[in-house]
Amino acid sequence: AQSVTQPDIHITVSEGASLELRCNYSYGATPYLFWYVQSPGQGLQLLLKYFSGDTLVQGIKGFEAEFKRSQSSFNLRKPSVHWSDAAEYFCAVGFKAAGNKLTFGGGTRVLVKP
Amino acid sequence: DAGITQSPRHKVTETGTPVTLRCHQTENHRYMYWYRQDPGHGLRLIHYSYGVKDTDKGEVSDGYSVSRSKTEDFLLTLESATSSQTSVYFCAISDLPRGGNTEAFFGQGTRLTVV
Repeated sequence: AQSVTQPDIHITVSEGASLELRCNYSYGATPYLFWYVQSPGQGLQLLLKYFSGDTLVQGIKGFEAEFKRSQSSFNLRKPSVHWSDAAEYFCAVGFKAAGNKLTFGGGTRVLVKP
Repeated sequence: DAGITQSPRHKVTETGTPVTLRCHQTENHRYMYWYRQDPGHGLRLIHYSYGVKDTDKGEVSDGYSVSRSKTEDFLLTLESATSSQTSVYFCAISDLPRGGNTEAFFGQGTRLTVV
């Protein structure tokens, strides 16, 4: 069955430290890939997206993600975390041929220690 | 921000009552979606629409129906609400321009509590 897995439910990181969030998908073809961020009580904001081309993509707020076809992964990274990065992060996949419907991972909640 | 408005933003209702959530967009996007968000499950697709009066089921459609009579409005109805439908509901929109790619844009969510 098609699925998206975010192995880490919670991650705690110190302010200024680096952050990496993992995302793996299980699909027969390469889907479109997205990372969204959700602050408490808010909707989802797109951080970055991969459709094709360069496998290292840059997003907003200093985030980047790398698509690795061989590992079916799309991990999100940030070199230096700020307290405002505390939020929940969702990886999602979609297919243009399927009307851009998205399948989401379960989310990773990031806590930032001062 | 994409022009998506969900109403109401919060609702408490009793088991067995009908509930309708509304999503209104001003972007003229072709596709509209309803997702529900529950802890540990991320967001799961309930129903989606690929045009006026064209809708289809998603992953968790049981107990829900939808309607889209105008491009800008997509309604989600719980015919007889149950406690398992307590959740946060998100509407999203997207478009697939010829030769282009696009992402989905999300509304602010509706928190529904069924007591």
